[in-house]
Amino acid sequence: AQRVTQPEKLLSVFKGAPVELKCNYSYSGSPELFWYVQYSRQRLQLLLRHISRESIKGFTADLNKGETSFHLKKPFAQEEDSAMYYCALLGETGNQFYFGTGTSLTVIP
Amino acid sequence: EAQVTQNPRYLITVTGKKLTVTCSQNMNHEYMSWYRQDPGLGLRQIYYSMNVEVTDKGDVPEGYKVSRKEKRNFPLILESPSPNQTSLYFCASSLVLEGSYNEQFFGPGTRLTVL
Repeated sequence: AQRVTQPEKLLSVFKGAPVELKCNYSYSGSPELFWYVQYSRQRLQLLLRHISRESIKGFTADLNKGETSFHLKKPFAQEEDSAMYYCALLGETGNQFYFGTGTSLTVIP
Repeated sequence: EAQVTQNPRYLITVTGKKLTVTCSQNMNHEYMSWYRQDPGLGLRQIYYSMNVEVTDKGDVPEGYKVSRKEKRNFPLILESPSPNQTSLYFCASSLVLEGSYNEQFFGPGTRLTVL
């Protein structure tokens, strides 16, 4: 079954510290993965997609097929990074999306 | 302004009273989708549509209906709402280019309470 797991519901880090939000997936084949972010009182929005290999707002995510992971990382957390983060997988039919349960990140000043 | 709109934003209703949540996008996107967000469960896809008159079930379609008569609109219909459909609902749309999905644009959400 296709699934996305985000093991941490809550994550707190100090400003300037590195941050890693974990995402593991189950999928047979080459997955298409995304990170979405929801800032307070804002709409859910795309942060990055693995296929584009971009770095957005200092965040990167590397697909590790061996570990079936797509962890989101940033070397130096900022207060404005405090938000809810969702990892998402495009399913094998190519049309259905699976989201994780989300990780709420708090960056402590 | 390019956006996805949903109405109503808040709705309190009673069990069994049919309701419709509207969703509209002005970006000419082919793909539209409905999700529900519940504490501890994240976002779960209810239905999606690849284009006009093309809809398909997501992960949790039971108790919901959708239609896609026009490209811009994708209403979510609850024929006989029940308390377990109390949730926060999001509509989203996306451009699809050569089978590749671009960003999903999300609506502001509709908070539904079924008593």
